[in-house]
Order: sequence, then structure tokens, then C-alpha cells
Amino acid sequence: GAGVSQSPSNKVTEKGKDVELRCDPISGHTALYWYRQSLGQGLEFLIYFQGNSAPDKSGLPSDRFSAERTGGSVSTLTIQRTQQEDSAVYLCASSLDIAGGREQYFGPGTRLTVT
Amino acid sequence: EDQVTQSPEALRLQEGESSSLNCSYTVSGLRGLFWYRQDPGKGPEFLFTLYSAGEEKEKERLKATLTKKESFLHITAPKPEDSATYLCAVQEQNNDMRFGAGTRLTVKP
Repeated sequence: GAGVSQSPSNKVTEKGKDVELRCDPISGHTALYWYRQSLGQGLEFLIYFQGNSAPDKSGLPSDRFSAERTGGSVSTLTIQRTQQEDSAVYLCASSLDIAGGREQYFGPGTRLTVT
Repeated sequence: EDQVTQSPEALRLQEGESSSLNCSYTVSGLRGLFWYRQDPGKGPEFLFTLYSAGEEKEKERLKATLTKKESFLHITAPKPEDSATYLCAVQEQNNDMRFGAGTRLTVKP
């Protein structure tokens, strides 16, 4: 079956512009996660959704970052007024639910480059 | 501060040379400890979840173990196709995920 998909796969933007990254989770998965992976770094957890709700937004790096999920499916991560330090691969994952230890399935990521 | 630390950062093995990767963690509450494999340019691929000290899981040449403070990923008789970055992660009580920086494994034929 279809896995997690993300779009675009690559995005180059100028400093100061806004960008939207999209994640399509596996059908039926109620939990969705966003991560950021900078070059040579581990995954940085940003936010998770259970259904359309994000109980904890403290992982978002700054108030320029926001995320939403509608219809319990597609999620968008929006970065306003992008900065060069936002350059990274943004990964999305989904899992059946938020139960402890539930395996997460990752998408291929969106590589964001801010020039 | 809660932390997940993986060692070594990089490991080079000859084909057939068994070894172990380490993941040590300090978190206030553990809902699960995960091992993932990541190939260049791809998202991580799930390997194992461990829940409690003493638990072990195996898959092909890989075996994961868990104690109260650390987890080991044992690789027995590795092959070149096992070359990848191996990531450890913990799920905290509030469901936040914390990943280690990974161990980059290279297996030479």
C-alpha cells in the first residue's frame, strides 16, 4: 500500500519568504509527526498530531513555525519569513495511533534550502 | 535534561565482523525505545521497539537489548548491505520523541 508522502521533495526559497510543506500520512493513521534533520545532525522532534489536535507545540523552533492538520489526514508545516538556519530536511511520519511504542513510518522528506 | 546519546559516531567493520552499537538515555519516563535504520537521502526505517528492561528483539542479523539506562544493537556477521546510519529514539511520557545523533555503520566486503 501507499506509504507516507511529502511534497515538494525539494524546495529552494529566498530568505524572508514563506514556505509550506505538505505531508500525506498512511490512510487510517491517526498520529502524525514532524521532524527536522540538519546536515550531520540527528532528528529534531517538532510536533505531533493525534487526529487534528496538537497537544504540545513547544518543540517548534520559533513562532515562525506553525503546523496544522485537517480532516485527520493531510498536514502542512508552514515556515514564515524563512532564515538560512531553517535549511534542513523536514521529515514527516505517521503511526496507527499515539500508543506507547507504536512504530512510525517515515516519508522521504522535503529538503529545504534557504538562500 | 533528557538526553539520548549514541556511540560510536561512526563504525567501520569488515564483512562478518560482529559488533554492537550503544544508545544511552536519560528520560524521566519511557514509553518505548526505538531503533531505526536510515539510508542516505531516505527517511528512517523502523527496526524495533523495546518497552522494558530485559527485553530483547531480533531481526535477521540484528538483535536489540534494553536495560534501565541503555540499549544495544548487536550486529552479527554483518554484510555490506547493512551499511547505514542507525538511529535510536525514546518516546517520553508526553509522547514527545527524542532521537540520538546516530551511528554511521560502514561494512566493507
